[in-house]
Amino acid sequence: AQKVTQAQTEISVVEKEDVTLDCVYETRDTTYYLFWYKQPPSGELVFLIRRNSFDEQNEISGRYSWNFQKSTSSFNFTITASQVVDSAVYFCALSEARRDDKIIFGKGTRLHILP
Amino acid sequence: DTGVSQNPRHKITKRGQNVTFRCDPISEHNRLYWYRQTLGQGPEFLTYFQNEAQLEKSRLLSDRFSAERPKGSFSTLEIQRTEQGDSAMYLCASSLQNRADYEQYFGPGTRLTVT
Repeated sequence: AQKVTQAQTEISVVEKEDVTLDCVYETRDTTYYLFWYKQPPSGELVFLIRRNSFDEQNEISGRYSWNFQKSTSSFNFTITASQVVDSAVYFCALSEARRDDKIIFGKGTRLHILP
Repeated sequence: DTGVSQNPRHKITKRGQNVTFRCDPISEHNRLYWYRQTLGQGPEFLTYFQNEAQLEKSRLLSDRFSAERPKGSFSTLEIQRTEQGDSAMYLCASSLQNRADYEQYFGPGTRLTVT
């Protein structure tokens, strides 16, 4: 069975600090996709990144970076020099490369960036 | 086309009433998904369509729920005899099913409150 665990329910950091959001996943498939989504107070899910299981290269996009490690089934997300606008709920998610492509979400981590 | 749209954005109804939500996907997207998100949780898959065919339904989708996508474009989700436990955000997503563009694009959601 597939599962995504985000152990951190809520995190608060002061602006400009770095913060890492943890994500651990479970799947029996060898081919799968991992995602991160941001959900600001407005409620809309904003796509941040998708990685496939064959690409373990870490990725950096501006202040955002992602660390994918198959050995530990983790896909962690780091925000560098956090800003108040980063305050949101962040979801890690998994999709197995099957016919339906449905996405399995974690419970989310609520991130507060304090000014 | 500006993305996935959902109507209404908010719906308040009394227990026992029927409600219907609409989702308009991105043009040309052949897949359409419905998810439900309750407070403090990540979105959970309900059902999905490829063109007009409903290909999978989650166990979360009781027989009071029905979804249609009659012409392979917009979709409706109807809940009959609403219960307080149906209160949630209902999210719609669409995707173009080819391996070059896998991403599911989410709409803003319809927030249902059952009183």
